[in-house]
Amino acid sequence: SQQGEEDPQALSIQEGENATMNCSYKTSINNLQWYRQNSGRGLVHLILIRSNEREKHSGRLRVTLDTSKKSSSLLITASRAADTASYFCATAYLTGANSKLTFGKGITLSVRP
Amino acid sequence: GAVVSQHPSWVICKSGTSVKIECRSLDFQATTMFWYRQFPKQSLMLMATSNEGSKATYEQGVEKDKFLINHASLTLSTLTVTSAHPEDSSFYICSAHPSLGGQPQHFGDGTRLSIL
Repeated sequence: SQQGEEDPQALSIQEGENATMNCSYKTSINNLQWYRQNSGRGLVHLILIRSNEREKHSGRLRVTLDTSKKSSSLLITASRAADTASYFCATAYLTGANSKLTFGKGITLSVRP
Repeated sequence: GAVVSQHPSWVICKSGTSVKIECRSLDFQATTMFWYRQFPKQSLMLMATSNEGSKATYEQGVEKDKFLINHASLTLSTLTVTSAHPEDSSFYICSAHPSLGGQPQHFGDGTRLSIL
């Protein structure tokens, strides 16, 4: 079964607002990653947070990880219409080249101009 | 940044045809590549792990004789859908994991396969 479960499943906001997406998982992980997918395209890696990290920033992105609750959140600040996409969290049990990713179901974000 | 090229991006063919999809890492070496399948509005499901120079590791429920994987070099993995049928229609995505540690997977743009 899938490891990650994101919520909400769909989110619609106005440009300039912040978007918060949550992900929960079931078992121990080495790291958690967030990806973005534009319609009909491949995935773009956004950010990786390791199990011993609690928060990470990258530009307008802020990711938190709570291993005690087995959950993560992705915050996109000052959203733009171009942020419209599907967002997936993915968990990895191992590190290194053989580390498989298990993806959540994804969140569809719509940013209205 | 690291680039993974997937080809073709879109293919339509008749039932019974075999279709080959290529996944190339353009500017890095990848001993491991992954093949995923994605149905509309759903998540990515890992099909198999492709290992350079050795047999692929398939996930439970994925037919190895149906989905042939070859990883003959450090920059190329191929997925062949043999004797494709309409139920094989889907979006197939590959990813490559750089051989150097500490880097995330890089994804191709996917192949939309439609079997008539």
